[in-house]
Amino acid sequence: DVKVTQSSRYLVKRTGEKVFLECVQDMDHENMFWYRQDPGLGLRLIYFSYDVKMKEKGDIPEGYSVSREKKERFSLILESASTNQTSMYLCASSPMGGGYGYTFGSGTRLTVV
Amino acid sequence: SQQGEEDPQALSIQEGENATMNCSYKTSINNLQWYRQNSGRGLVHLILIRSNEREKHSGRLRVTLDTSKKSSSLLITASRAADTASYFCATVYSGAGSYQLTFGKGTKLSVIP
Repeated sequence: DVKVTQSSRYLVKRTGEKVFLECVQDMDHENMFWYRQDPGLGLRLIYFSYDVKMKEKGDIPEGYSVSREKKERFSLILESASTNQTSMYLCASSPMGGGYGYTFGSGTRLTVV
Repeated sequence: SQQGEEDPQALSIQEGENATMNCSYKTSINNLQWYRQNSGRGLVHLILIRSNEREKHSGRLRVTLDTSKKSSSLLITASRAADTASYFCATVYSGAGSYQLTFGKGTKLSVIP
């Protein structure tokens, strides 16, 4: 069964910590994406990647960075976590091009205290 | 930026009834997709309709697309309690080289047994 795996379902971190959210897909997809989801705001794109070592900013990249050293892995990094980064983080992948649906991970609910 | 807007924001129906959700968007699209999200989980891709298609079916799902009105609808026939979830429309902008999905804020569907 093809899937996208996010390393943690729930995470609690302290303000100022550097936080790594990991995402791995086993479908050999070229495209990978990080979204955050907040009540009343829907899903907002943080970063995406079309290929290894390649990244593009989404709508809300401030305070985040990403890493894609291998095709199957796309990491989201919170450089210095803040309370306004408390959110549900969703990773997704898709084949090359825009004509396919995304496969999502189960999400990581991050709380920054 | 948010592309799609779903209507209504919330919908409550009895089991066995049909549920209709609508989506409007702002710019020219390559395709439009519908996703389902069970509470606290990741999104699941339901159906994709391309800009040159007007209607598509998948099991109990029927999607229509009207590009002249920039709108789409999702019909779930003979609803079941297990259909209770949030439903999102998402669009792929038709601009060159842009393949990321932009999501609406979703319709929360409750199916009462």
